[in-house]
Amino acid sequence: GNSVTQMEGPVTLSEEAFLTINCTYTATGYPSLFWYVQYPGEGLQLLLKATKADDKGSNKGFEATYRKETTSFHLEKGSVQVSDSAVYFCALSPQYGGSQGNLIFGKGTKLSVKP
Amino acid sequence: KAGVTQTPRYLIKTRGQQVTLSCSPISGHRSVSWYQQTPGQGLQFLFEYFSETQRNKGNFPGRFSGRQFSNSRSEMNVSTLELGDSALYLCASSLRPQETQYFGPGTRLLVL
Repeated sequence: GNSVTQMEGPVTLSEEAFLTINCTYTATGYPSLFWYVQYPGEGLQLLLKATKADDKGSNKGFEATYRKETTSFHLEKGSVQVSDSAVYFCALSPQYGGSQGNLIFGKGTKLSVKP
Repeated sequence: KAGVTQTPRYLIKTRGQQVTLSCSPISGHRSVSWYQQTPGQGLQFLFEYFSETQRNKGNFPGRFSGRQFSNSRSEMNVSTLELGDSALYLCASSLRPQETQYFGPGTRLLVL
């Protein structure tokens, strides 16, 4: 079946540090890939997405590249801010939906950025 | 354009009761999906509706049900509540199935 594996947290960084959160996936066909972010007490916000191999999604300084050869979609940011503290979810949308639904999530990575 | 709205935001119920949660999608979106989020199990898919029809259902017991109305608004119902149903219930909408989903703020349910 389809699945997403992302690095366990929590991740603690100092302000202006470089961020990488690893995400790998297993899927049949050609899924779309997403990063969502959840701030404390809120729902999920779409951060970025990529719909085909070699696509790069970017938003608010965050980037991720769809790598089909390594089945990965790692999230990166060159310089994190305190306001980036949140839980980050990697997700895939399978080519064909089913009992897993149209979005399959990783377990989430909690990021804390210290001033 | 207004985002996805969910009501109520917080709810406290006791075991054995039933509960109904509501979701209004983004204007023009016709697909609505529901998810349960718990610390132990993470985000789990409940069901998906499109044009008032359930397209997919996750692996949850029959106590969990839902429906979608002609204006695309959706409700989910949980009957005979159990302590383990305490969770954040998230609704997401998209223009059509398989397209990008946008989430609401969630309804936090506590079962005592």
